[in-house]
Amino acid sequence: DAKTTQPPSMDCAEGRAANLPCNHSTISGNEYVYWYRQIHSQGPQYIIHGLKNNETNEMASLIITEDRKSSTLILPHATLRDTAVYYCIVRVLNQAGTALIFGKGTTLSVSS
Amino acid sequence: DVKVTQSSRYLVKRTGEKVFLECVQDMDHENMFWYRQDPGLGLRLIYFSYDVKMKEKGDIPEGYSVSREKKERFSLILESASTNQTSMYLCASTTAVYNSPLHFGNGTRLTVT
Repeated sequence: DAKTTQPPSMDCAEGRAANLPCNHSTISGNEYVYWYRQIHSQGPQYIIHGLKNNETNEMASLIITEDRKSSTLILPHATLRDTAVYYCIVRVLNQAGTALIFGKGTTLSVSS
Repeated sequence: DVKVTQSSRYLVKRTGEKVFLECVQDMDHENMFWYRQDPGLGLRLIYFSYDVKMKEKGDIPEGYSVSREKKERFSLILESASTNQTSMYLCASTTAVYNSPLHFGNGTRLTVT
């Protein structure tokens, strides 16, 4: 089972910040939080990941709470092309390798 | 940029046929993965491989097998396709570094009739 909880859908006006929440209350100390998004008919696209500290790259910012039980992905100026399903994932380390366990994600709809 | 290429974008096969889905990555990644994606169920891991000739079952391996003869290529095999294997199939790859991100192909939409 996925170890994260996300709202099923969110709306955002174009040009505004989109803040996507994720709960991961059972996260372990060495597990990273990853964010991916999937635009219709394409494969998932990596956005950002973090362990404890807040992270920022050219696509987004990731804010992780101090207790690491939740995080927020921030798209600072959402555009119509950011309409997608966003997945928050805790990285599970298998015995022989690593795999991502995807939940159902949040469908973000950006409108003008 | 990392490129993960899946050989077919759309595929239509008949029940009982043997089906090969091919995936190639160009970044010398050690780990490769096969997922299927269905509406309402999200992405589910079928098999993954962390080295040539090595494979591990994911959450839903039944009805599938895989082959990794070369590092850059990971094949998913449906020995005898069934209608419940109609789905979007996604291949991904990553390095052996623990926190490296997965890179996905654009998927193969398989329809079994």
